[in-house]
Amino acid sequence: DTAVSQTPKYLVTQMGNDKSIKCEQNLGHDTMYWYKQDSKKFLKIMFSYNNKELIINETVPNRFSPKSPDKAHLNLHINSLELGDSAVYFCASSHGLETSGLFFGEGSRLTVL
Amino acid sequence: KQEVTQIPAALSVPEGENLVLNCSFTDSAIYNLQWFRQDPGKGLTSLLLIQSSQREQTSGRLNASLDKSSGRSTLYIAASQPGDSATYLCAVSKGANNLFFGTGTRLTVIP
Repeated sequence: DTAVSQTPKYLVTQMGNDKSIKCEQNLGHDTMYWYKQDSKKFLKIMFSYNNKELIINETVPNRFSPKSPDKAHLNLHINSLELGDSAVYFCASSHGLETSGLFFGEGSRLTVL
Repeated sequence: KQEVTQIPAALSVPEGENLVLNCSFTDSAIYNLQWFRQDPGKGLTSLLLIQSSQREQTSGRLNASLDKSSGRSTLYIAASQPGDSATYLCAVSKGANNLFFGTGTRLTVIP
């Protein structure tokens, strides 16, 4: 009974392709996030949505487009994939705009060849 | 911009030892500080949260302290066990809804 689930867990694709990662949470939270963890294990926030509204949009190429169809889902679509996009992408959720009680998914490892 | 540093990057200790992990941050105007644990191939699990007005938090064998004025936090693990082996990350919040993560300390507890 996973609280924050991401699919797929692994994704290997060619440069230039378009791919999506999906995230769902069953915790009743109203805020969801996408984080990127690079090869040096550094975690950095990409996007944050509160009640389906975009709250944080860090300096991320516009090839990355998040979509939140409802409070329980936050998907990440990436166009024209580049080698540097290879990383582990983590979805997380929390209650309200507080970062206390942040719950993470298990990550989606994207490899661009 | 907030920078979070964790030292050491890796640490190996024999089982049963007490140990301290360090975290420092450059901007002391933080909202809170959290310590997370990350197991290989897994997501992050929140261990302890310290609000900016607090000095420490305890959970079982874990104790986290916060000295906001000096930009430091420590995570103390008592009587370490092999199951404690993981990467430990600290993260500071500059305001609601945004965390800045350190690069982590990879802990190995040797049986």
